[in-house]
Amino acid sequence: KAGVTQTPRYLIKTRGQQVTLSCSPISGHRSVSWYQQTPGQGLQFLFEYFSETQRNKGNFPGRFSGRQFSNSRSEMNVSTLELGDSALYLCASSSLSSGSYNEQFFGPGTRLTVL
Amino acid sequence: QKEVEQNSGPLSVPEGAIASLNCTYSDRGSQSFFWYRQYSGKSPELIMSIYSNGDKEDGRFTAQLNKASQYVSLLIRDSQPSDSATYLCAFKGTGGGNKLTFGTGTQLKVEL
Repeated sequence: KAGVTQTPRYLIKTRGQQVTLSCSPISGHRSVSWYQQTPGQGLQFLFEYFSETQRNKGNFPGRFSGRQFSNSRSEMNVSTLELGDSALYLCASSSLSSGSYNEQFFGPGTRLTVL
Repeated sequence: QKEVEQNSGPLSVPEGAIASLNCTYSDRGSQSFFWYRQYSGKSPELIMSIYSNGDKEDGRFTAQLNKASQYVSLLIRDSQPSDSATYLCAFKGTGGGNKLTFGTGTQLKVEL
């Protein structure tokens, strides 16, 4: 079974621009979560989508948004990029809707650099 | 108090030794706990999940959970140089959905 895929793998943008990242979960997985990883803050939860609905949101400004499509693929968007948005953006998919016994599997990530 | 506490390391162990990684968490209602391994420049890879008090073994890895003391640990037996990586513990809290809260990770170095 193919793993989680993320595109693009690398992005370089300038301040003020916007960016869209894409994630395709493992086949059959309906839950997609997004995380930001930086050296200073570690791995932080951005949001989670299940059945095209945002179910959970982390403590990030409204410039960060996302959506999920009917095929479970998800996108996240960051508008008005700031230097501090430079990070590894990770997508994780899970097979179960909720409950305790969910395992999340990460994609390779998108490395975003904001200049 | 941080939600998840991990010793950042680095933790150095000789090849063949047992590496012991520890993690404490603050959310008493947490039910699910996970250990991820992350090599430099790569994404986290799930290596263990544990939900019940006690030990869970998978090959050279043993996860231990003590909900009363709010800690979870990972033992790696017969450590190999290829085990050198950052190990992240994570838990799923009491809120709905699949949000995972991560520790900052412990860097493990296995020396020849």
